[in-house]
Amino acid sequence: LAKTTQPISMDSYEGQEVNITCSHNNIATNDYITWYQQFPSQGPRFIIQGYKTKVTNEVASLFIPADRKSSTLSLPRVSLSDTAVYYCLVGDDNTDKLIFGTGTRLQVFP
Amino acid sequence: EADIYQTPRYLVIGTGKKITLECSQTMGHDKMYWYQQDPGMELHLIHYSYGVNSTEKGDLSSESTVSRIRTEHFPLTLESARPSHTSQYLCASSELASGSINEQFFGPGTRLTVL
Repeated sequence: LAKTTQPISMDSYEGQEVNITCSHNNIATNDYITWYQQFPSQGPRFIIQGYKTKVTNEVASLFIPADRKSSTLSLPRVSLSDTAVYYCLVGDDNTDKLIFGTGTRLQVFP
Repeated sequence: EADIYQTPRYLVIGTGKKITLECSQTMGHDKMYWYQQDPGMELHLIHYSYGVNSTEKGDLSSESTVSRIRTEHFPLTLESARPSHTSQYLCASSELASGSINEQFFGPGTRLTVL
């Protein structure tokens, strides 16, 4: 499984756009990039997944450059309720086990 | 409504007790997982299953055991609980692989405290 590296923590204010970058230098050809969100005392929740270029859904966008060695999760106009830990994971359909790592702790201030 | 359930949500027990943490999902998923997470720390996979009668150990060594007799049910058992088992236990499920990483759906967790 490719190792990922993310910032330990980030701070933001309500209404701002937040970009969390994940480094995965050893990503394999068949690997996808997935992001999860976890609130305190809850299980993680799937946010978005992508393979290349840009993916957008109702809550976030995922930007993946051509070399795929990194990816950026973009949260538009964050609110206090976006305060959580965000995990970046990579793997393919043979990935039985997800390695969550320490994630990025996002704190949104009013 | 399709979902994944864990009971109990909170459990406080004494050392040496045998406990079973329940996990059930109504999504018809073949794959199920158990993770252990200490407060503010990362999740560690302790058990997983591909389907009925399939169980595998995860990356973190655990004294717990699991069984998978029915697709929807994946209980975790501690034969003799100890204070070092105090943690949050999260159950998850996913479909069989189909190219990308399949989304894992997590239950609410069981917070276990062993005195």
